[in-house]
Amino acid sequence: AQTVTQSQPEMSVQEAETVTLSCTYDTSENNYYLFWYKQPPSRQMILVIRQEAYKQQNATENRFSVNFQKAAKSFSLKISDSQLGDTAMYFCAFRLHQGAQKLVFGQGTRLTINP
Amino acid sequence: SQTIHQWPATLVQPVGSPLSLECTVEGTSNPNLYWYRQAAGRGLQLLFYSVGIGQISSEVPQNLSASRPQDRQFILSSKKLLLSDSGFYLCAWSVPPGIRETQYFGPGTRLLVL
Repeated sequence: AQTVTQSQPEMSVQEAETVTLSCTYDTSENNYYLFWYKQPPSRQMILVIRQEAYKQQNATENRFSVNFQKAAKSFSLKISDSQLGDTAMYFCAFRLHQGAQKLVFGQGTRLTINP
Repeated sequence: SQTIHQWPATLVQPVGSPLSLECTVEGTSNPNLYWYRQAAGRGLQLLFYSVGIGQISSEVPQNLSASRPQDRQFILSSKKLLLSDSGFYLCAWSVPPGIRETQYFGPGTRLLVL
């Protein structure tokens, strides 16, 4: 079974700083997808960024980028020039390319951006 | 563009009462549909998913059931609620097939069982 681990329950940084959230996962499969979702106080889950395991190039979306290390099974999220609106729970998630359609989530990291 | 709706937004129910949560998707056809539950301070756990009308897969044994009476409608039900059913319920959709399949979530329903 696949598992996702986020080792940082909470993080706090000052506005405009850069912050990196950690995620590791465990799987014996070779083809899969990784995601970061953001859950603000409204509790709606919002997709931040997606990475296909077969791609060596790290995904980027504006101020958000990932460091995908397939051999180490690591998938960290870097937020540059952090903004107050980035304050939220961040969840790392894993999905296999084939088979069951489910997302496996980590426990989340609560990120607070301070003014 | 696609949108996903869930209702009610908040629900307070007594133990032993029935439950019906509804999820509908607009702007797409034949989506995959999912029900997740999020306990307080925890990550999401998949409860059910559906790849078509009448096709339901259950991930965990529990007090809940799901149905898909129409292509873009997904319903989560219970005959008798338990205290442990309290939580935040999220519906999600994705458009198969494809390697870029991504799940998009609705606004969620907060359920409190007393």
